[in-house]
Amino acid sequence: NAGVTQTPKFRVLKTGQSMTLLCAQDMNHEYMYWYRQDPGMGLRLIHYSVGEGTTAKGEVPDGYNVSRLKKQNFLLGLESAAPSQTSVYFCASRSELAGGPTDTQYFGPGTRLTVL
Amino acid sequence: RKEVEQDPGPFNVPEGATVAFNCTYSNSASQSFFWYRQDCRKEPKLLMSVYSSGNEDGRFTAQLNRASQYISLLIRDSKLSDSATYLCVVPFSGGYNKLIFGAGTRLAVHP
Repeated sequence: NAGVTQTPKFRVLKTGQSMTLLCAQDMNHEYMYWYRQDPGMGLRLIHYSVGEGTTAKGEVPDGYNVSRLKKQNFLLGLESAAPSQTSVYFCASRSELAGGPTDTQYFGPGTRLTVL
Repeated sequence: RKEVEQDPGPFNVPEGATVAFNCTYSNSASQSFFWYRQDCRKEPKLLMSVYSSGNEDGRFTAQLNRASQYISLLIRDSKLSDSATYLCVVPFSGGYNKLIFGAGTRLAVHP
């Protein structure tokens, strides 16, 4: 049981390049999330999904797209990378059965992205 | 006012000390709250959930003050392994589908 995994772990892009970050979870969770974390700021929600085939915008969605074609995978795409997208990206998932006081989001190990 | 505010620290304390962090939130409708722990260059992990007036788990106590809209985390008998950043987390607009994370309070426990 690997939990939440993310690939790649590190990536360096040039401005204007595109890439896709992959998040996979083996816990059969309905909800999945993409966050970015920058120094001095809390994790900010980019996009999220409440189930296979669904996606929704979070707090900072501009410049990113997502897809949830399979329940276990949540992809984050950068169509034309910009230096402002240099960040650490975390994926998280949680069970639909949660949603109460003991709700837990499980996080992947993160992807460190640098855009030059 | 930010939705969730925390003192960034760092809090530098000796082993065995008691240390407390506060977190203020702006959404008065929030019902439950969370403390996550994040080690350096690692992912956040749930430390404690906070509902009603508070919660206790071993050396860790979380308390909620709804009137003043803040939650606190108290760590007793600090260990070296407690060194980490502690994130205060509030559900977005009272729902659990999304969470709002504070920027975190850094704790450094020294021998």
